[in-house]
Amino acid sequence: DTAVSQTPKYLVTQMGNDKSIKCEQNLGHDTMYWYKQDSKKFLKIMFSYNNKELIINETVPNRFSPKSPDKAHLNLHINSLELGDSAVYFCASSQADRGNEKLFFGSGTQLSVL
Amino acid sequence: SQQGEEDPQALSIQEGENATMNCSYKTSINNLQWYRQNSGRGLVHLILIRSNEREKHSGRLRVTLDTSKKSSSLLITASRAADTASYFCATATYGGATNKLIFGTGTLLAVQP
Repeated sequence: DTAVSQTPKYLVTQMGNDKSIKCEQNLGHDTMYWYKQDSKKFLKIMFSYNNKELIINETVPNRFSPKSPDKAHLNLHINSLELGDSAVYFCASSQADRGNEKLFFGSGTQLSVL
Repeated sequence: SQQGEEDPQALSIQEGENATMNCSYKTSINNLQWYRQNSGRGLVHLILIRSNEREKHSGRLRVTLDTSKKSSSLLITASRAADTASYFCATATYGGATNKLIFGTGTLLAVQP
């Protein structure tokens, strides 16, 4: 069983489209995250949710809207996709939000905007 | 702003040799973590060292932390081809409710068989 699973693994789309990436964790964790990894491998946090509540929003454009229907799921919806959105998006989870827990990552979604 | 910077950016060694990667950061931290990322995969947690610890071991991994120099190192002993991956340090900072992990730029390690 995959602990943190995200779909799809690859997403190729045209500029201006709207797309969603889904994430689910079966670890019973309270906190989930979205990270963006650019072409230089730099990994930057976008959002974190603790028990369905938004905790961190790192000045991400409001075209990106996370949705957490329950604490096991954190989906990412992106409106009006732009070329600069091309990156690998990682979902992650941790047991809590205390800052001293390790993160468990999904395998990533490679988004290519054409 | 970016917290961790790693050095070197890339490292190529022969199987059996030791690999050392360094991480420097800018502000006070609660803990520092190291992660491995194999090509095309997600990150996997390796080891966590708290700010009041100086050294930690896990199998072939040895991590040191020098908070006065704001730096950490990861040593992989007796490296194997399977250790080929990118290695990232990540620093945990506390800021009220906004505890978060900030990742460094990564070191790409290639272990030649």
